[in-house]
Amino acid sequence: DTAVSQTPKYLVTQMGNDKSIKCEQNLGHDTMYWYKQDSKKFLKIMFSYNNKELIINETVPNRFSPKSPDKAHLNLHINSLELGDSAVYFCASSLRGSNTEAFFGQGTRLTVV
Amino acid sequence: DQQVKQNSPSLSVQEGRISILNCDYTNSMFDYFLWYKKYPAEGPTFLISISSIKDKNEDGRFTVFLNKSAKHLSLHIVPSQPGDSAVYFCAASAPKTNAGKSTFGDGTTLTVKP
Repeated sequence: DTAVSQTPKYLVTQMGNDKSIKCEQNLGHDTMYWYKQDSKKFLKIMFSYNNKELIINETVPNRFSPKSPDKAHLNLHINSLELGDSAVYFCASSLRGSNTEAFFGQGTRLTVV
Repeated sequence: DQQVKQNSPSLSVQEGRISILNCDYTNSMFDYFLWYKKYPAEGPTFLISISSIKDKNEDGRFTVFLNKSAKHLSLHIVPSQPGDSAVYFCAASAPKTNAGKSTFGDGTTLTVKP
């Protein structure tokens, strides 16, 4: 039973396209996140979503939009893809609160050509 | 401004010896620290954590030490095993922030040679 699953694992697409990455967690967590790991391997948070509260990282372009149909899902939509969007995107979830750990999905490697 | 730094991009040790991974932070508001381990093509998985009220936490072969005055923490793995070969991320969080909003370091790749 995968705790945090995201699909697809690999995504190759052309510049200018719109794509989505899906994420689901079966841990009963009420907080979910999207991270981007760039070519320098640095993990940077993009969004956190706590029930109906969405917190957006100011550095994320508005071409990126998270959508949460329910507490167990947080999908990432990306419009007008650019070459610089190529990265590995990780979904994660956690219990609410700071003194606990996050559980990550296996990542989606996005390549924009 | 990188608030969590892992200054060693890579570390190589012999099987059975101790691995010591280091992490420095600048934000004095951080009060909870975590280590995650990541294998290729997988997501990070939680390894061990420590609260700022402690200076040591041990879990089997893994021990994390926290030096608040130096704003430094380290992960000790002893004895190291080839299966420990992975990227290790240090992460830190401040009060009233959710777990996933931790600030991550940029990782140290550990290679344990048989």
